[in-house]
Amino acid sequence: GAGVSQSPSNKVTEKGKDVELRCDPISGHTALYWYRQRLGQGLEFLIYFQGNSAPDKSGLPSDRFSAERTGESVSTLTIQRTQQEDSAVYLCASSFFGLASEQYFGPGTRLTVT
Amino acid sequence: EDQVTQSPEALRLQEGESSSLNCSYTVSGLRGLFWYRQDPGKGPEFLFTLYSAGEEKEKERLKATLTKKESFLHITAPKPEDSATYLCAGGGAQKLVFGQGTRLTINP
Repeated sequence: GAGVSQSPSNKVTEKGKDVELRCDPISGHTALYWYRQRLGQGLEFLIYFQGNSAPDKSGLPSDRFSAERTGESVSTLTIQRTQQEDSAVYLCASSFFGLASEQYFGPGTRLTVT
Repeated sequence: EDQVTQSPEALRLQEGESSSLNCSYTVSGLRGLFWYRQDPGKGPEFLFTLYSAGEEKEKERLKATLTKKESFLHITAPKPEDSATYLCAGGGAQKLVFGQGTRLTINP
């Protein structure tokens, strides 16, 4: 069956531009997660959706970051006015239930801000 | 504050040399302790979930165990293909907290 897919796989953008990252979860998974992984670092939790709702948005690094999920399916992570420190791999994951169930990760989007 | 700490940061073993990776956690309202494997340039791959102290799970050369404060990933007679970064994560009420990972290298 299809796994979690993310697009684009790579994105190079100029400082100050907005970017949108897309995640398509595994069909039927109710929960969806976004993480950031800087080079050589661990995973930084950004936000998670249960259905279309995000119970806690406090993990988003700044108000330049926002995320939405529609139809209990696809999710978009938007970064406005990108900065060089936003350069990282952004990983999306989904799970059948919530935080007590195993997550399945996509391949990530590598974002480079020049 | 919820925290997950893994040790060592990096570990080099010879093929067949068994060892253990450590994960110490303080996660309020822990709902599950997870182990993942991550290969370079890829997303993490799920290995195990442990829910209560004393629980153990095995998969091929890997065995994960859990106490009230720590989890261990034991690797028995590893092979070069076991080389990867192993991530531990604690699932709390609102988020999953990952450790920094242990980068494991198995030399043939």
